[in-house]
Amino acid sequence: GAVVSQHPSWVICKSGTSVKIECRSLDFQATTMFWYRQFPKQSLMLMATSNEGSKATYEQGVEKDKFLINHASLTLSTLTVTSAHPEDSSFYICSAHSIRGLGPSGANVLTFGAGSRLTVL
Amino acid sequence: GENVEQHPSTLSVQEGDSAVIKCTYSDSASNYFPWYKQELGKRPQLIIDIRSNVGEKKDQRIAVTLNKTAKHFSLHITETQPEDSAVYFCAASAAGGYQKVTFGTGTKLQVIP
Repeated sequence: GAVVSQHPSWVICKSGTSVKIECRSLDFQATTMFWYRQFPKQSLMLMATSNEGSKATYEQGVEKDKFLINHASLTLSTLTVTSAHPEDSSFYICSAHSIRGLGPSGANVLTFGAGSRLTVL
Repeated sequence: GENVEQHPSTLSVQEGDSAVIKCTYSDSASNYFPWYKQELGKRPQLIIDIRSNVGEKKDQRIAVTLNKTAKHFSLHITETQPEDSAVYFCAASAAGGYQKVTFGTGTKLQVIP
């Protein structure tokens, strides 16, 4: 089945530094990937839609200069949290629609990476 | 944009009983409704989905129902087992799931042995 790999699984950094998270589709091509943020005991909040070869589409309220997204190839999207602060500490998770895989209803299945837990000290 | 509401936020049932989680959506263009199960510390996994041209779908102990007119959809788990304990998310998407997926707020299900 479709596999989305995400690294690192956890990262601790100092306030003011930048952190890059990678999301790879291992056995399929993904022209679109989605980046979500999940706070403890809360839902998945869509941050942005990453589009291969073009600019990402950010959701309302998400700072595009703070959360840089690059989707340089059909199998890789990166999220860079710039000048991280403690309030950026969260669980970041990427996902992609598998082009090959079809869900039980015939629609593409949204497959998630394992997530990256960011702690900013 | 789409807004998905989910209830209840927590649900405790005795093993063997049934569990029902309900969701509503706002965008009439939504036509694909997946349900995800997220165990503690793990990624969400698709457990069942339904399209708007179908009113009900069943897969073993899990069933989903959809009322397009009322913009309601529900997840039903029968004969619950301890391994069903997890957080369940409903979601809605347009264009058969090709567009962005909006998630509900989640339901933490606890099955008591």
